[in-house]
Order: sequence, then C-alpha cells, then structure tokens
Amino acid sequence: GENVEQHPSTLSVQEGDSAVIKCTYSDSASNYFPWYKQELGKRPQLIIDIRSNVGEKKDQRIAVTLNKTAKHFSLHITETQPEDSAVYFCAAGIQGAQKLVFGQGTRLTINP
Amino acid sequence: SAVISQKPSRDICQRGTSLTIQCQVDSQVTMMFWYRQQPGQSLTLIATANQGSEATYESGFVIDKFPISRPNLTFSTLTVSNMSPEDSSIYLCSVESFADTQYFGPGTRLTVL
Repeated sequence: GENVEQHPSTLSVQEGDSAVIKCTYSDSASNYFPWYKQELGKRPQLIIDIRSNVGEKKDQRIAVTLNKTAKHFSLHITETQPEDSAVYFCAAGIQGAQKLVFGQGTRLTINP
Repeated sequence: SAVISQKPSRDICQRGTSLTIQCQVDSQVTMMFWYRQQPGQSLTLIATANQGSEATYESGFVIDKFPISRPNLTFSTLTVSNMSPEDSSIYLCSVESFADTQYFGPGTRLTVL
C-alpha cells in the first residue's frame, strides 16, 4: 500500500523567513496531495491541496509543488508569522480524497 | 465546507467497557471516514463508513473492535469496544466534500483507565 514519508519532524524558523516541508510517496497511482494544519487541541484543517495534473499551486503565502517523476511534493510558507506555528501533515490519496495516507507530521515553530 | 460535529468531545472510560462516538454533518455526503490519532502521532484511517452497507476497514482494524454504523447520508457512529489503555486516542470523523476534498470533525478525546 501507499507509504508517505515527511521531513523534517520539527522545524524552527525566524518570523518573516520561509519554511519548507517535504513529503515523498511510494505509489505512483496517487493523484491527490493535501496539506493539513493542526493547532494544539484542534482538528486538522485543510490549507492547500494539489492534484497530479498540476505541478504547482499557490494561495497567498502558501504554495505546494509536486514532482510526479520523483514522487515528492513540498509545502512552502513565505513571510512566516507566529500564527503559522502548528503541526503540518501531508497526505496522499489514490482515489482522490477518499483514502488518504498521512505523513508523520512536522511541528513548525515560528520564533518572534 | 460541511459543518461536522462529534459527540462526546471527550470521555474517560474504564477498561473493558465500550464507547460510541457520534458524527453528524449538516448536509448529505457520500463518503464518511473514521480516523485515529494516537497522542503526538499522525492520523490513521480506521474505516470508510458506507451508507446502507458494512464499513470498509483498513488493515489492522476489525469490525468486532470498531463497529461502525451509517444509517443515512448525514450521520455515522463509531464504537470502541472492550477498551484498553492502548485505545486512548483522539478519534476523528471526516467527510469528502463535493469538491473532492476531505474535512475533519472536531474529534473525540478518549482516555481509557
């Protein structure tokens, strides 16, 4: 079955700097790649997603890139702010959003 | 996106007992899912709750331990049976939206003593 590896497990950046989180997946049939942000004690919230027919997608300070050949995708956050501090999860789905396999998570800390 | 609620939000239970968690959505959805998130860990899919038929379980999860009901397109329940301390986790339901994205409920924090 699908396996998703996420790195790094923890990331600390200065406010205003950029943060990059990377994920690799094993099943070339995966076609949907969402990113979720989970604040302490809260539910995971979808922040951006990308499908396999697109190489890059951007939403304000957040962007995701996908390299299907290498089977990896990345989350880029620019101009980081303290409210970006959270745990971020990547996921991969073979049947679109139906059967998601999640990465291990990255705890992002923004230092003021 | 759909508004998803779960009950209870948290519970403390004794080992050997069972707990039923409810998930309610404010609109009809085709797909509903149940996940487990162990303390400090990632999310693991338990099963897909199918309306009108038996749930589809992922490897490592069985119906006897996690029976699921899906009586209609807006409601599902997950029961955690014969609980042990290892079942202490957050249990989350999620739904697939019409836009082929997945949204999560607020979760149920379960502690088993």
